[in-house]
Amino acid sequence: GAVVSQHPSRVICKSGTSVKIECRSLDFQATTMFWYRQFPKQSLMLMATSNEGSKATYEQGVEKDKFLINHASLTLSTLTVTSAHPEDSSFYICSARGGSGSYEQYFGPGTRLTVT
Amino acid sequence: AQTVTQSQPEMSVQEAETVTLSCTYDTSENNYYLFWYKQPPSRQMILVIRQEAYKQQNATENRFSVNFQKAAKSFSLKISDSQLGDTAMYFCAFKGTYKYIFGTGTRLKVLA
Repeated sequence: GAVVSQHPSRVICKSGTSVKIECRSLDFQATTMFWYRQFPKQSLMLMATSNEGSKATYEQGVEKDKFLINHASLTLSTLTVTSAHPEDSSFYICSARGGSGSYEQYFGPGTRLTVT
Repeated sequence: AQTVTQSQPEMSVQEAETVTLSCTYDTSENNYYLFWYKQPPSRQMILVIRQEAYKQQNATENRFSVNFQKAAKSFSLKISDSQLGDTAMYFCAFKGTYKYIFGTGTRLKVLA
């Protein structure tokens, strides 16, 4: 149980275009989802926290207009990188957490974004 | 501010030997959770072990165990009988009232 999927696993896009990454909890309802960014050989940096049905809370320094997060259902959250630039190239990881009282998060397999 | 520190960027261990990865953290909270995650080359984050701060007993999961020293704010991971499949990046993580905070990671290589 507690499986989280991400799609796509890899994506290449051109500068100036937008790309959407999906995060799904397959066998549980995720009231909260997290989006992380991981640079090569570095740790996970939390970008934003989203709760189902409400606006995401972004970490300091993360542009909310550039990284659009939607958590429209209890099993799906999306991250859209708008007007992508090469510096947005990175590994993006989502995680999901269940209902109240649940503290453990389950990670997706990640999405490698390359902006050319 | 809450911080998690992993002071060993890289470590290596011979197969079947034991290795300990260190982690220290800083918080003013009394109730929190600590985790060790493994990230193999596939990049999938895998939970290795977790510890609730209110529990005095150290958590164990098969070959993995922790040494949780709450007063010292230390949370080390011991891997016994190391296997080649243990080769990965290991992250220590803290979860208090709000978000998770991850350490910078320790790259562990198990040598045949």
